[in-house]
Amino acid sequence: LAKTTQPISMDSYEGQEVNITCSHNNIATNDYITWYQQFPSQGPRFIIQGYKTKVTNEVASLFIPADRKSSTLSLPRVSLSDTAVYYCLVGGVHQGTASKLTFGTGTRLQVTL
Amino acid sequence: DAGVIQSPRHEVTEMGQEVTLRCKPISGHDYLFWYRQTMMRGLELLIYFNNNVPIDDSGMPEDRFSAKMPNASFSTLKIQPSEPRDSAVYFCASSSRDWGIEAFFGQGTRLTVV
Repeated sequence: LAKTTQPISMDSYEGQEVNITCSHNNIATNDYITWYQQFPSQGPRFIIQGYKTKVTNEVASLFIPADRKSSTLSLPRVSLSDTAVYYCLVGGVHQGTASKLTFGTGTRLQVTL
Repeated sequence: DAGVIQSPRHEVTEMGQEVTLRCKPISGHDYLFWYRQTMMRGLELLIYFNNNVPIDDSGMPEDRFSAKMPNASFSTLKIQPSEPRDSAVYFCASSSRDWGIEAFFGQGTRLTVV
């Protein structure tokens, strides 16, 4: 069972880059690292997923070191609308077997002017 | 695609009553997940299906909870009898990935048991 540890909360000013780090020391070989964003009264929304090295999409970047025991979600130039809870999820769904798809406590990001 | 559709959006029921939550996954997705979210326990995976077959139901809290997926486009989560501690937001999610967890969540059903 891959347990994740993230900061409970972070504050940022609008326009800054925000980096949220997640620790997952017992990540398994088949596990992926996935980040979700959740606004109040909405379901979580997929942001980015990776296995190793660096992944970038139109929303964020995900940095994964070689040992894969941690990962960092990078949000460039945040705006007020990025205020949300961000979850790091480690695991995978495989045919016939699965690691527990468990969400941690998440990181509550507050962006202000 | 309209995304994952859950119904009802809100449900208020009395303790002891049966509650049925419904979910329509995204067409073509072969994984379906049921989650429960509360302030105290966060997001908990209750059960998930692959190709309509339950794969892991170890998160189902007790026998009062049951889930079915009679076909690829419909799933239900039933609570019978309901209790006040079942009050939570229940999310359904679906995914097409065989590896990784790129799941799409519905808007959730807010259940209140009084």
